[in-house]
Amino acid sequence: DTAVSQTPKYLVTQMGNDKSIKCEQNLGHDTMYWYKQDSKKFLKIMFSYNNKELIINETVPNRFSPKSPDKAHLNLHINSLELGDSAVYFCASSQGSGASGGTQYFGPGTRLLVL
Amino acid sequence: ILNVEQSPQSLHVQEGDSTNFTCSFPSSNFYALHWYRWETAKSPEALFVMTLNGDEKKKGRISATLNTKEGYSYLYIKGSQPEDSATYLCASGSNDYKLSFGAGTTVTVRA
Repeated sequence: DTAVSQTPKYLVTQMGNDKSIKCEQNLGHDTMYWYKQDSKKFLKIMFSYNNKELIINETVPNRFSPKSPDKAHLNLHINSLELGDSAVYFCASSQGSGASGGTQYFGPGTRLLVL
Repeated sequence: ILNVEQSPQSLHVQEGDSTNFTCSFPSSNFYALHWYRWETAKSPEALFVMTLNGDEKKKGRISATLNTKEGYSYLYIKGSQPEDSATYLCASGSNDYKLSFGAGTTVTVRA
């Protein structure tokens, strides 16, 4: 059973399009995250939800909008895609905040390429 | 965002040899220190979470120590094997819910 799953795994799209990436966890965790792996391979936090409530909202363009319909899902919608959005996006989940010790479990990543 | 630094950036080790590398982080407002193992084309896999000064954790041939007063953690690999080749990430959590990742140490074990 996959603990944290993301769809799609690969996404190739044209500049200006709107796309969504979905994330689901079956671990019963209460906290979910979106990370972006930048060009230098750093993992940078974008958003975090705890019990469907947004608790971390880093400085990302407002073209990125997370949505958590329930505790097990955290989707990422991106409007008006730009070339610089090309990256690998990782979803993760934890029980409690990762910052305070909750182990984060990562999804397989979604490789987004904007042409 | 915390400044988490890892060194060295990469290292090569002969199969059977032991190695270690460092993660440094700001010691103020410290909550937790995580180590992850990240193989190419896969997702990061949790190794350890440590919260208390002096904590030591072990998983097989891999172990880690934590010094929260001076703000560093060591990861040790004993008797390195080719399957230990990966990037090892550390991440430090503070009281603002955020987990800040270092850039990782890439370990290559030569047979």
